[in-house]
Amino acid sequence: DSGVTQTPKHLITATGQRVTLRCSPRSGDLSVYWYQQSLDQGLQFLIHYYNGEERAKGNILERFSAQQFPDLHSELNLSSLELGDSALYFCASSVDVDQPQHFGDGTRLSIL
Amino acid sequence: AQSVSQHNHHVILSEAASLELGCNYSYGGTVNLFWYVQYPGQHLQLLLKYFSGDPLVKGIKGFEAEFIKSKFSFNLRKPSVQWSDTAEYFCAVRPLSGGYNKLIFGAGTRLAVHP
Repeated sequence: DSGVTQTPKHLITATGQRVTLRCSPRSGDLSVYWYQQSLDQGLQFLIHYYNGEERAKGNILERFSAQQFPDLHSELNLSSLELGDSALYFCASSVDVDQPQHFGDGTRLSIL
Repeated sequence: AQSVSQHNHHVILSEAASLELGCNYSYGGTVNLFWYVQYPGQHLQLLLKYFSGDPLVKGIKGFEAEFIKSKFSFNLRKPSVQWSDTAEYFCAVRPLSGGYNKLIFGAGTRLAVHP
């Protein structure tokens, strides 16, 4: 158990819909990172938050957004879903930006 | 563009065989280097990391890796694999410019160890 909690574990929805993925970091970790793992793109960095502030964006689509709340949990919002958004979405956390990242179990998103 | 290459996509070994998984990266600046392992149905777990100092780093479960700066490589090794090492292995690079913000992952290597 990494200490990073992601919910839900599985999500099945249809094209055009909107979903919210949730991540609770390890206790004491200020940084939260989101990654997308797909068969064709591999593991891709999406976005990084540190203590509530956005720090960096990677290959994140405009249809996707995220936030980190005062209690440090984070949500990734995916809207206008397309078939190609089907993937495993991982959250990772670290104590600070220069420390190793610890990953959650991921949320498997299936778009029908 | 920054990238990480893992040379072998699938590796099949018998128990007690030696393992070496290749990892090369393309980035001219200073980096942190990592190997993560993903057992079937589980999350990514950190095997080992290199930040600075001795280029030969030892991790958990008997794994080690060697950073060769001139070759931009960070190969993972284990002298004798076990069936329980069956998993997917990911090499990752964190460029130290831009505020340590992201990991760049290789495509992964699936290792199958037969008893």
